[in-house]
Amino acid sequence: KAGVTQTPRYLIKTRGQQVTLSCSPISGHRSVSWYQQTPGQGLQFLFEYFSETQRNKGNFPGRFSGRQFSNSRSEMNVSTLELGDSALYLCASSFRASGGAINEQFFGPGTRLTVL
Amino acid sequence: GIQVEQSPPDLILQEGANSTLRCNFSDSVNNLQWFHQNPWGQLINLFYIPSGTKQNGRLSATTVATERYSLLYISSSQTTDSGVYFCAGLTFSGGYNKLIFGAGTRLAVHP
Repeated sequence: KAGVTQTPRYLIKTRGQQVTLSCSPISGHRSVSWYQQTPGQGLQFLFEYFSETQRNKGNFPGRFSGRQFSNSRSEMNVSTLELGDSALYLCASSFRASGGAINEQFFGPGTRLTVL
Repeated sequence: GIQVEQSPPDLILQEGANSTLRCNFSDSVNNLQWFHQNPWGQLINLFYIPSGTKQNGRLSATTVATERYSLLYISSSQTTDSGVYFCAGLTFSGGYNKLIFGAGTRLAVHP
């Protein structure tokens, strides 16, 4: 079974630009979560998508957004990039039980974003 | 708030040594995962362990949910075990899920 894939793997952008990252979950997984990893803040939850709907969002400004498609693939977008947005962005997929709780999360290789 | 704390923050070992990493978590954590982050940033799943003990080769993990802690054991360490080990608590509250990560334990295994 193929794992979680993320594209692109590396990105360099300048301040003020916007960026879109893509994540394809493991086949059969319909929950996709996004995380940001920085040296100062560690790994922080961004948001979770399930059935094309954002189910939860972490403490990030509105510049961070996302969406999910009917095939469970997800994209996240960051607008008006700031230097502090430089980070490793990781997405994770999991199975979501009928009661709503997700099971074990599996991570993709990440997208390393550098903002100059 | 939800808390996941790991110790020690740094660990240096000689190849062949054993080690124990600890993770304490708050009572709103429903489940627990251990990861190894390789030098390229990929998070590798080690264990999904809400309670009890699991073993996978030289690695094993024990979670005592009633006392809110989990331990990761690495035996006969190898240089390839180097990297950062994260534990993460899965919370499910009000219909919302998220993983809360600890700050990690940075392990260096020297030959």
